[in-house]
This record gives sequence, structure tokens and C-alpha cells, in this order.
Amino acid sequence: DAGVIQSPRHEVTEMGQEVTLRCKPISGHNSLFWYRQTMMRGLELLIYFNNNVPIDDSGMPEDRFSAKMPNASFSTLKIQPSEPRDSAVYFCASSFATGGFGETQYFGPGTRLLVL
Amino acid sequence: AQSVAQPEDQVNVAEGNPLTVKCTYSVSGNPYLFWYVQYPNRGLQFLLKYITGDNLVKGSYGFEAEFNKSQTSFHLKKPSALVSDSALYFCAVRPLTGGGNKLTFGTGTQLKVEL
Repeated sequence: DAGVIQSPRHEVTEMGQEVTLRCKPISGHNSLFWYRQTMMRGLELLIYFNNNVPIDDSGMPEDRFSAKMPNASFSTLKIQPSEPRDSAVYFCASSFATGGFGETQYFGPGTRLLVL
Repeated sequence: AQSVAQPEDQVNVAEGNPLTVKCTYSVSGNPYLFWYVQYPNRGLQFLLKYITGDNLVKGSYGFEAEFNKSQTSFHLKKPSALVSDSALYFCAVRPLTGGGNKLTFGTGTQLKVEL
């Protein structure tokens, strides 16, 4: 399997622009997670989906952030409008949730976002 | 709410020496515990996990971790460190029941293995 695929790998944009990050989970996985990593705040869970349904979005910083999962093989994280403080590495992870909660999350390579 | 503490920002060890990266946790009830490693400019890579059973868990690349319920710890160990083990290590926890399948990560420990 190719693993979790994220695109783009790097994104440089100007403040105020819309940014869309994309994720393709591992085939057969039914849970998908979006994380943000910064030096100041470490690794933060933004939102996660089970069976394409958002379960917990309490980590989404504010209304400028939105995430969708229209089908089992694709998810997007959108920032509109972007701000310099959104600069971070954004990771997508997926797992096969069996209900036992012991399943392993597998991470993508991340998207490095720089907002100027 | 669950939490993880990694008390050392950085651990330095000489190649060939044993290494330990510390992790303590707080969770309601019994935990699921995980270790991940992150190499520069890469995503997190799963190393090992404790679900139930034997307190000593063996994982990838010769790493192992010991679950200690009384001390609420899950320290990562390796008998003989390699320079290639130098990376950022994360401990994570999830409760056995409740809390969904959300992982809480520690702040990470930078491991530096020197010749």
C-alpha cells in the first residue's frame, strides 16, 4: 500500500488567500485525522472522522478552518482566509477503527504551510 | 481528560549504549499507549503499542517499552543505540473506554545518538 498520501507537500501563500490541503487515507481505513504541528504548540488534533462523518472538531482553531470528507478515500482541510499564524506542518493520519480503540494511526508525510 | 508527559526535551546517548526515553500518562481507567518516531521532514512513524497483556512490548527497529501501571509510565528503551536512531520521539495515550479513538500526544523528546 502507498500509505497516507498528502498534497501538496509544500505550500507558500499570502495572508488572506484560501488554502486547501488534501489527504488520501490508506485503502480500507475508516477513520481519518487531521493534525497540526508547530514548535510552540506541538502536535494538535484538529478534527477526526469515522466513516466519513466528523466526530470531534473541538481542535479546529476557528471558523476559518473547515474540513470535509466526501468519501472514504479523500479529505480536505481548508483555511480561508489564511493568516501567518497558520504556518505549520499539517498531518493527515488514518486508521481502521474496530471499536476497540487500540488501532494504530498511520501518518502521511505532511504539508508544510507557510503563510506570508 | 487524558494527558501525556515527556519530561525530557532532549536525551543524549553514545552509540552502543542503552537508551531510555521517558513517558508518564494520566487517563481515566486503563490506557492504550503508543510510541511514534519522527525523522526530520517526515511524518510520524508507528513504533509500538501497549493494549493489554505482557507489560513489555517489543516494536520496530529493536525498540521496546515497559508498561508500569503503578507508576503510570511507559518508557521507551533500546539496549544498544544507533546513530540512525536520532529523531524525535512521541508518546501517546488513549483511554480503554470512552474518549473515542482520539490520541493525546506528548510534547516529544529529541533523541541524539553520538559516535
